[in-house]
Amino acid sequence: DAKTTQPNSMESNEEEPVHLPCNHSTISGTDYIHWYRQLPSQGPEYVIHGLTSNVNNRMASLAIAEDRKSSTLILHRATLRDAAVYYCILRDLRSSGGSNYKLTFGKGTLLTVNP
Amino acid sequence: GAGVSQSPSNKVTEKGKDVELRCDPISGHTALYWYRQSLGQGLEFLIYFQGNSAPDKSGLPSDRFSAERTGGSVSTLTIQRTQQEDSAVYLCASSLQPRAGDGANVLTFGAGSRLTVL
Repeated sequence: DAKTTQPNSMESNEEEPVHLPCNHSTISGTDYIHWYRQLPSQGPEYVIHGLTSNVNNRMASLAIAEDRKSSTLILHRATLRDAAVYYCILRDLRSSGGSNYKLTFGKGTLLTVNP
Repeated sequence: GAGVSQSPSNKVTEKGKDVELRCDPISGHTALYWYRQSLGQGLEFLIYFQGNSAPDKSGLPSDRFSAERTGGSVSTLTIQRTQQEDSAVYLCASSLQPRAGDGANVLTFGAGSRLTVL
């Protein structure tokens, strides 16, 4: 799987927007960009995914650079419950076969939200 | 159930003992994954099951680790002759079968089984 690079940690204040960056300069044309997060003492949970266009859902927005070499997860109004480790993962789901079915997790970004 | 269920939630064992960890995936999910997360570390892939296909065991760290999935549903991860370095949270996830072009395929994780080897 192509590698992603994220900052080790970020800090935000409650009710402010948070922009979590991810660099993936070696992304291939068949890689989707997936984001998961892991709250304390819980398993990871899916947040959002995208391929080329920006995406919005009830949890967050995903902004993808035009060259797809980077992306940004946007939490529009951070809450204390958003404090978690956020993982940016590339997943080859456009081609069949290979090891495209499993997620390869890096270290992620630890987001701290201050009240 | 609505989510992925894992048991036990906590297990303390003595070095050298065998342990079994259970995972009950979401009904209808044909793909099942086991991961391990050591203290302060990221998630490490262990094994993947998909339907009746041969499992991908490429992440199992040693031959003391094995897993089976009976009837395409419940899975058991077995660690024989446990060592202190096996102490970790063992996470199970399930998903629909990943298919080419299905970018929306997502994994749903359980809360994990925390294993402590004394």
